[in-house]
Amino acid sequence: DTAVSQTPKYLVTQMGNDKSIKCEQNLGHDTMYWYKQDSKKFLKIMFSYNNKELIINETVPNRFSPKSPDKAHLNLHINSLELGDSAVYFCASSAGTGVKLERTEAFFGQGTRLTVV
Amino acid sequence: RKEVEQDPGPFNVPEGATVAFNCTYSNSASQSFFWYRQDCRKEPKLLMSVYSSGNEDGRFTAQLNRASQYISLLIRDSKLSDSATYLCVVFRGYQKVTFGTGTKLQVIP
Repeated sequence: DTAVSQTPKYLVTQMGNDKSIKCEQNLGHDTMYWYKQDSKKFLKIMFSYNNKELIINETVPNRFSPKSPDKAHLNLHINSLELGDSAVYFCASSAGTGVKLERTEAFFGQGTRLTVV
Repeated sequence: RKEVEQDPGPFNVPEGATVAFNCTYSNSASQSFFWYRQDCRKEPKLLMSVYSSGNEDGRFTAQLNRASQYISLLIRDSKLSDSATYLCVVFRGYQKVTFGTGTKLQVIP
């Protein structure tokens, strides 16, 4: 069973379109994340979401919005896609909130390779 | 200064060699530390947590030096399958997780 699953695995779309990436975790974790990995392989946190509290990385454009219908899901919506949005997007989850340090291991989905043309 | 810094490499080492990576972090309030491994076109996976007392898992040893604000990863008897990018991760509460850019390791036959 896949612990953290994201769909789609690949997404090719035109500039200006709106798209969504779905993420689900079956680990019972409290915290979920979205990361962006660019062409230089740098992994950057975009959002973290815990108990309905959303923490946004201030460098993320507001065209990106996470939506969490329930604790097991954190979907990523992107409006008006731009060429620079091309990257691999990883969803992740962890049990802890940072207070209980032993539970802070993050489990990652397999990634969604987004290509904007 | 970047919050987490790693030498990007690549480190090209022969099979059987011992190789060590360092990772420095700038925020002394950082709470927990990890090494993740990422294979090409795959997701990062936890390799090991890094404890203040140091910890060992088979051929891998991780150490934390809070005074100098760095963590290290030592790999002994390198295998071809160790070839990957090793990511240093610094955790300062769930809203502040920072990945290093990774160190690429290539083990050569």
